[in-house]
Amino acid sequence: ETGVTQSPTHLIKTRGQQVTLRCSSQSGHNTVSWYQQALGQGPQFIFQYYREEENGRGNFPPRFSGLQFPNYSSELNVNALELDDSALYLCASSSGRDRSTDTQYFGPGTRLTVL
Amino acid sequence: AQSVTQPDIHITVSEGASLELRCNYSYGATPYLFWYVQSPGQGLQLLLKYFSGDTLVQGIKGFEAEFKRSQSSFNLRKPSVHWSDAAEYFCAVGDILTGGGNKLTFGTGTQLKVEL
Repeated sequence: ETGVTQSPTHLIKTRGQQVTLRCSSQSGHNTVSWYQQALGQGPQFIFQYYREEENGRGNFPPRFSGLQFPNYSSELNVNALELDDSALYLCASSSGRDRSTDTQYFGPGTRLTVL
Repeated sequence: AQSVTQPDIHITVSEGASLELRCNYSYGATPYLFWYVQSPGQGLQLLLKYFSGDTLVQGIKGFEAEFKRSQSSFNLRKPSVHWSDAAEYFCAVGDILTGGGNKLTFGTGTQLKVEL
């Protein structure tokens, strides 16, 4: 059984560019959540996808968008990058069996640097 | 709105000493509570979780946590710390989304340093 994987590991972009981050969920999991972790902070919830539909969203602007595919892998897209978008982006998957109490299992993250 | 407070930003303990990391939460209903650990440059690993039942929860790596509703606390403990426990520890509360599912609200973390 493979865990949650994310790609790429590191990424450097310039302000105004667009970026796509990818996540493969743990085997058997149909729910994916994305979090942003700024330096020295705890992770903040961006949004969650369940069976290819956005299921909930945190306090992030519309330039943060996502997608979930039929195999339950997911993408996070960020348009018009700003310097403050520099952070570790974490993906977490959960089984969807008991959605209100599902445990989320995290990937290693993608470190995004915006110059 | 739900929130989590971890009052201690940094804690230093000697190897073999006991450890307690503090966590206070604010949540309107019965909380779902979690402790995660993050090693440098890594993602988050689940240590333990509380949903209901016994208020003393056992986790991996010898950690335990106690839920105290009257104090709105969920403190993490370990009787004897090992050098490999040096990492950042996050407390989180789960909140149900309107579409079903749940999201996590994290504290700002406690950085644990272990002196040999």
